[in-house]
Amino acid sequence: QQQVKQSPQSLIVQKGGISIINCAYENTAFDYFPWYQQFPGKGPALLIAIRPDVSEKKEGRFTISFNKSAKQFSLHIMDSQPGDSATYFCAASMRPGNQFYFGTGTSLTVIP
Amino acid sequence: ETGVTQSPTHLIKTRGQQVTLRCSSQSGHNTVSWYQQALGQGPQFIFQYYREEENGRGNFPPRFSGLQFPNYSSELNVNALELDDSALYLCASSLAGDQPQHFGDGTRLSIL
Repeated sequence: QQQVKQSPQSLIVQKGGISIINCAYENTAFDYFPWYQQFPGKGPALLIAIRPDVSEKKEGRFTISFNKSAKQFSLHIMDSQPGDSATYFCAASMRPGNQFYFGTGTSLTVIP
Repeated sequence: ETGVTQSPTHLIKTRGQQVTLRCSSQSGHNTVSWYQQALGQGPQFIFQYYREEENGRGNFPPRFSGLQFPNYSSELNVNALELDDSALYLCASSLAGDQPQHFGDGTRLSIL
C-alpha cells in the first residue's frame, strides 16, 4: 500500500513558468515532509522540508504548501529553469524511527 | 563536511550469489538507513541502524541484512540474489532523533 501518493507522473513546463507537484498521505502520525530532487545517476538531494505546524515554507524559488486537514502537500517551483529538470520525490516520516515513505516521483522537464 | 559515500558505484552479479555494499555516513551522523530504488520508482526503506543495532525494518526478506560499525559506517548484505534485486541501493545518514536524511549516490546492482 502506497503511504504517499504523488502526482503528476511527469510534467513539462516552459522556462520561467511555475511547476507544481502534489502529494497526499493517509497516516496522520507523519510529522515531517521533505522534498527530494534526483538527477540521473545521482542520489536524492534534500530540497526543502516542512512540519505540519506550518502551512507554507519558502526557500528561494521553492515553496512547500501544506494542508493538514486535507492531508496534502505540494511543491511549487517558481521561475522554473532548464537546470531544474530532474525527478522530484515527496516523502513523509514520523518519530521515532524516521523511516521515510517516498512517493513514486515526478519527472520534470523545463523547456528553454 | 564529508557527505555520504557509497561503494562500489556499479556491480554485476548472477542469480544465487551474495553481495556486500558499503556506506560511509556524513560526518557527525550516527544513524544509517538503506533504501532500494527500482527503476522509475521511489526509494523503498530496507532497514536502519543506530548504535550498531537494527532500528527498524521495511518489508524485505531476511536475506537482506546489515551491519553498522563503531565509526557509524555500514554494510548491506544480500544473499541468494534474485533478478528482482536489480536496483539502485541508497544509503542515507542522519542524526538520531533528527529527521533530515542525506543520501549518497548509491550502488547500481545488476543481476544477470
